[in-house]
Amino acid sequence: GAVVSQHPSRVICKSGTSVKIECRSLDFQATTMFWYRQFPKKSLMLMATSNEGSKATYEQGVEKDKFLINHASLTLSTLTVTSAHPEDSSFYICSARNPHTTGVRGGELFFGEGSRLTVL
Amino acid sequence: SQQGEEDPQALSIQEGENATMNCSYKTSINNLQWYRQNSGRGLVHLILIRSNEREKHSGRLRVTLDTSKKSSSLLITASRAADTASYFCATGGGNSGNTPLVFGKGTRLSVIA
Repeated sequence: GAVVSQHPSRVICKSGTSVKIECRSLDFQATTMFWYRQFPKKSLMLMATSNEGSKATYEQGVEKDKFLINHASLTLSTLTVTSAHPEDSSFYICSARNPHTTGVRGGELFFGEGSRLTVL
Repeated sequence: SQQGEEDPQALSIQEGENATMNCSYKTSINNLQWYRQNSGRGLVHLILIRSNEREKHSGRLRVTLDTSKKSSSLLITASRAADTASYFCATGGGNSGNTPLVFGKGTRLSVIA
């Protein structure tokens, strides 16, 4: 079963509105979660690292005020796309690493099912 | 930023054939991972190979790693239509929880029944 849950899976919104995407770790506590963005037929681009109880670390070129990340608990990180525009339409995927997984699986990331955002 | 390149970008084969995908990366690594993504879905971890390993098997999957050439390959034997997906290599993962992965561009595999 899924160990990282992401919601909503699809969202359509009007330009100028804000959209919140939730990422939950179900079977473990994740002090760190990662948010990726993926364009059609392209690879995943790391947007930011979400840190529980502190500010997120954003990758170069990612607007902090545009993509608000909150990691208020050990099992929940949220990504809010503020004042969305059509160019923000994309597939957003979160992931987390189980800190209790060691050995050969220690580097494995668990991914949510992704959220497809369409901004009209 | 992306770590490297997958080759080929797209691959179409008949069911039962083997599929080989290659990945090159740029920096030194602790391990390299391969993930699979069905269209419009999240990623699923397939296999992890450590920098001191040269080959690893998991079911119909065989992964090789050549750190001198900074390259890895993923072989899927006896392919099935259900193997149709995009496959990504990824580097940057350590055992600590706060290291993100950097993904290659991916190979889109189509297995025709």
